[in-house]
Amino acid sequence: DGGITQSPKYLFRKEGQNVTLSCEQNLNHDAMYWYRQDPGQGLRLIYYSQIVNDFQKGDIAEGYSVSREKKESFPLTVTSAQKNPTAFYLCASSIHSRQATNYGYTFGSGTRLTVV
Amino acid sequence: AQKITQTQPGMFVQEKEAVTLDCTYDTSDQSYGLFWYKQPSSGEMIFLIYQGSYDEQNATEGRYSLNFQKARKSANLVISASQLGDSAMYFCAMREGDSGYALNFGKGTSLLVTP
Repeated sequence: DGGITQSPKYLFRKEGQNVTLSCEQNLNHDAMYWYRQDPGQGLRLIYYSQIVNDFQKGDIAEGYSVSREKKESFPLTVTSAQKNPTAFYLCASSIHSRQATNYGYTFGSGTRLTVV
Repeated sequence: AQKITQTQPGMFVQEKEAVTLDCTYDTSDQSYGLFWYKQPSSGEMIFLIYQGSYDEQNATEGRYSLNFQKARKSANLVISASQLGDSAMYFCAMREGDSGYALNFGKGTSLLVTP
């Protein structure tokens, strides 16, 4: 079955460490997205990528980095520059975003990151 | 500026009653899409319903309907015959060119269905 896989489900990080969250999709979607969710804040866009080897910053990109070397994969690195990384992270994908206002996303099941 | 506004942080509804969750949006695009998602405590995002800016009829999907008032820029979700399993967070979202076609989400409404 096609879908999006995020791993790990739970992740603990020590302060000052970089961590990478995995996101893999087998839906042949062109576009992929990373969101951060904090209580009472809804989902805020971190980065998105519409094609391989290209990505754009979202509303809260500081302290994060991404790569898009393969269509299927869009890993997110939470760097030590991110001062408050404890949150729930959701990855999503969709068909190519242009001309796609009537298409929603397929979401992964999320990664809960906690700084200890 | 906030693109999607959900003014109800929390709502209660009795089982079998109908409930309306409010959503207003802001865009200068003529072509855009409006979406509602449900998020249970497990964290997964479940797509509920979609309304296109050019759609003349209000969208319906089973017990979910979308009250689309374009001139007022509102897209309220109506859940009929509420069930205990409807208790969850509900997010309104919009997709439009001004945002690079990424979905913009509201802050959500927490719905609790009581017996």
